[in-house]
Amino acid sequence: GAVVSQHPSWVICKSGTSVKIECRSLDFQATTMFWYRQFPKQSLMLMATSNEGSKATYEQGVEKDKFLINHASLTLSTLTVTSAHPEDSSFYICSAISNSGNTIYFGEGSWLTVV
Amino acid sequence: RKEVEQDPGPFNVPEGATVAFNCTYSNSASQSFFWYRQDCRKEPKLLMSVYSSGNEDGRFTAQLNRASQYISLLIRDSKLSDSATYLCVVNPRTGNQFYFGTGTSLTVIP
Repeated sequence: GAVVSQHPSWVICKSGTSVKIECRSLDFQATTMFWYRQFPKQSLMLMATSNEGSKATYEQGVEKDKFLINHASLTLSTLTVTSAHPEDSSFYICSAISNSGNTIYFGEGSWLTVV
Repeated sequence: RKEVEQDPGPFNVPEGATVAFNCTYSNSASQSFFWYRQDCRKEPKLLMSVYSSGNEDGRFTAQLNRASQYISLLIRDSKLSDSATYLCVVNPRTGNQFYFGTGTSLTVIP
């Protein structure tokens, strides 16, 4: 079964609204989670590293005020896409590192469509 | 130079063929290596870890070449269900960062 769960799997929202995506580690505590974006037929792009209890570390070119990340507990990180635009439509995936630190597990991904 | 580089393909092979992918990494101190498989519109899933001595899982064989800094994945007797994108992942152990290749697209043709 899944060890990292994402919700929702699919979401459609109107331009200008905000959408929250949740990422949960089910069988372990994850001090670090990662958020990625993947456009069709393109590779995964790391957006940010989410650290429990502290601010996320964003990759260059990713707007921290637009993609709000909160990692308030050891099992939950959230990504909020604020003031969404159609170009934000994408597949968003989270991942977490196992307790042993040597395996990375992915959530099932969330398809966001902004209309 | 990118941390991890892969040939994006696509590789189109007939059923039953043997196909191999390579992935190079830039950090010679990298410790952990993995191959992930990503199906269309799905999340990546761990296919196999890559051990220093090489490892095999059924039709899949993974190898690590530290001297040349690359890992490889060999798929024998390709099945239609092997069609997917194969991602190599490297953990340099300098933190909690994992570096991904861009993925290699494989299509197995009947």
